[in-house]
Amino acid sequence: DTGVSQNPRHKITKRGQNVTFRCDPISEHNRLYWYRQTLGQGPEFLTYFQNEAQLEKSRLLSDRFSAERPKGSFSTLEIQRTEQGDSAMYLCASSLGTRVDNEKLFFGSGTQLSVL
Amino acid sequence: TQLLEQSPQFLSIQEGENLTVYCNSSSVFSSLQWYRQEPGEGPVLLVTVVTGGEVKKLKRLTFQFGDARKDSSLHITAAQPGDTGLYLCAPFRGKLIFGQGTELSVKP
Repeated sequence: DTGVSQNPRHKITKRGQNVTFRCDPISEHNRLYWYRQTLGQGPEFLTYFQNEAQLEKSRLLSDRFSAERPKGSFSTLEIQRTEQGDSAMYLCASSLGTRVDNEKLFFGSGTQLSVL
Repeated sequence: TQLLEQSPQFLSIQEGENLTVYCNSSSVFSSLQWYRQEPGEGPVLLVTVVTGGEVKKLKRLTFQFGDARKDSSLHITAAQPGDTGLYLCAPFRGKLIFGQGTELSVKP
C-alpha cells in the first residue's frame, strides 16, 4: 500500500520536551498538509507545502511549531517545549497539487500526541 | 467566526433507521467535500459536490448540494453499525476547512 504514512502512531512526552513527527506522502503528490484534531472536533488546518515551499501557516501554528519539507518529499513537524494543550491527533495529508480548487486529499492515520 | 456549521453534533440511532446530517454556511462554495473518519484513523473522502442542486448517491448515502451552494446534506438510508463514525464536510480553499463534524453511532 502506498498511502500516506505517519510515524510514530503514538507519542507520549513530558511537558517541556520537544517532539518530532514524520509524514511520508503518496509519492507523486506535490502538496502536503498538516492538521491537528482534538476529540470530538473536526481537523484544524496548520500548514501546507507545495513541493518544498511552505505556502501557508495557520495562526494556530505558534512559534513553538515548525514544519519542513526539505526535498519536497517527506515532511516533519516539530513541537518545541510541549504543553499539555498540544495533546491532540496530528494528521498529515497529501494531494496531487494540480488544481486551485477541489483537490482530493488523502490522509494518513495520524500521530496521537499525549503531553503529561 | 465559524465558516461551517454541522448539525447535529451527535446522533445515536438504531440499525435500520434513516438519518440526515446538515452542513450550513453563509458563504458560497465552488465545491464541497464530505469525509468519513473512524476512530484512530484519518478522514476518507466520500464524495465531492460541485453544482448547485446536485445530488450524488453512494450506495445508501445520498448527498445534496444546495441550489445556492451554501449548504449540503447527507442522508443515510437504513443505517448499519458500519456507518458509525465522524462525518465531516469541508470546502476546499487552497486547503480543506473542516466543520465540527457529526458523530454518528449506529447501534445493532
